[in-house]
Amino acid sequence: DVKVTQSSRYLVKRTGEKVFLECVQDMDHENMFWYRQDPGLGLRLIYFSYDVKMKEKGDIPEGYSVSREKKERFSLILESASTNQTSMYLCASYSGTGVRYEKLFFGSGTQLSVL
Amino acid sequence: GENVEQHPSTLSVQEGDSAVIKCTYSDSASNYFPWYKQELGKRPQLIIDIRSNVGEKKDQRIAVTLNKTAKHFSLHITETQPEDSAVYFCAASMGYGGATNKLIFGTGTLLAVQP
Repeated sequence: DVKVTQSSRYLVKRTGEKVFLECVQDMDHENMFWYRQDPGLGLRLIYFSYDVKMKEKGDIPEGYSVSREKKERFSLILESASTNQTSMYLCASYSGTGVRYEKLFFGSGTQLSVL
Repeated sequence: GENVEQHPSTLSVQEGDSAVIKCTYSDSASNYFPWYKQELGKRPQLIIDIRSNVGEKKDQRIAVTLNKTAKHFSLHITETQPEDSAVYFCAASMGYGGATNKLIFGTGTLLAVQP
C-alpha cells in the first residue's frame, strides 16, 4: 500500500529552536509538498519539490526552508521556531512529470507546538 | 499566483438532502481541479477530480461541475448520509510539469449531515 510517513505525530519545541520535520514516501514520486493546516485557513502551501534538489516556494515560505537530497525524502526546516508556527504540518506526494496531475497522497501530519 | 476561494465555510444539511460547495479560482491557466475530504483526525483523501477539458464528472452520489469561463467549480453531494460529515477542500493547479505542479487549496467547508 502507498505510504507517506511523517517522522513525528506530535512535537513540542521552544521558541528559537531549529526544528526538522521529516517526510518519507515509498512510491518513487517526483513531486513532494509541505502544507500547514490551520482552522479557517485551510491547507496553505509552504514549499514543494518536483525533483531531487529542486524546490519551489509556495504561498507562505517565510520562516521555513526545505531540503530534498534524495527522491524519497523531503524535509521541512524551521530555522528559528516562533509561536506563530504552531500548526498541523502535512506532507504530501504524487507521481507525474507532465500535464497528467494525479492524486496527492498525504502523510498523517505533525502537530507542532512552539512554546 | 493562483488563489482559490471556497464557500460556504460551514454547511449543515438534513440526511437525504443535497449539499453544494462552490469554489472560484483566479488563474485561467489552471486545468486540474480536485476535491479532498478530510474526516476528523484523519488525512485528506481525494474523492473526485475534474480536468479542464470536461464540464462535469459524476461518481455515484458525488458530482463536480466546472465553468471555465466564469472560473468556478462546484461539488454536489446528493442523498447525503451521516458519514459524509467532514471537511471538504477544493483545489486548483496548472500542472504543466515542474514548477507549475503546485496545488493550491481553498479554505475548506465543514459539512455536517444531521440524522
